[in-house]
Amino acid sequence: QKEVEQDPGPLSVPEGAIVSLNCTYSNSAFQYFMWYRQYSRKGPELLMYTYSSGNKEDGRFTAQVDKSSKYISLFIRDSQPSDSATYLCAMSEGTGRRALTFGSGTRLQVQP
Amino acid sequence: EAGVAQSPRYKIIEKRQSVAFWCNPISGHATLYWYQQILGQGPKLLIQFQNNGVVDDSQLPKDRFSAERLKGVDSTLKIQPAKLEDSAVYLCASRLGPMGNYGYTFGSGTRLTVV
Repeated sequence: QKEVEQDPGPLSVPEGAIVSLNCTYSNSAFQYFMWYRQYSRKGPELLMYTYSSGNKEDGRFTAQVDKSSKYISLFIRDSQPSDSATYLCAMSEGTGRRALTFGSGTRLQVQP
Repeated sequence: EAGVAQSPRYKIIEKRQSVAFWCNPISGHATLYWYQQILGQGPKLLIQFQNNGVVDDSQLPKDRFSAERLKGVDSTLKIQPAKLEDSAVYLCASRLGPMGNYGYTFGSGTRLTVV
């Protein structure tokens, strides 16, 4: 079993839709949770960062962490064609010394 | 602030040949990572440096991969000899310090094709 599981998609939605992206994990030591966006032929870029459980909102993006269920989510409201990319969840243990462990990524396509 | 620079952007080699990748992190970033990203998968850590010392190389195939970070700045990753399964994007990332979770900054990667 992988430490971090993520549905690879692809996920295709119409412009303006609400998108829900999810990851599950098995390592209870994970405390820091991040979402990265990766455009084709580019490196990942940090989108959202959350510590422990709870919600965090930034513009059209909301990240949720449920540590009791070992489940994290990213919601995108009013999705735009420019949101078309691969979304990677990533997480690390509490000390922050260990490198991030990534999910396999979900490919999102927003149709105009 | 300049980003993480990587070169070359693309490389095609035959199996059993050797190849080297170069990374220049953001100025002042003490922690540097090399990740391997196979098509359709998430990045997998190969090696983590703190300044010029190795913190974690547990997933580096040491029989063929090597990496160094001289003077705690630039880093090179080498593969010798390459195998077909090494075809991937090699991503370099850096961050300010070892503790906490400042986000990583990634370079655009080097896309390696082994034929």
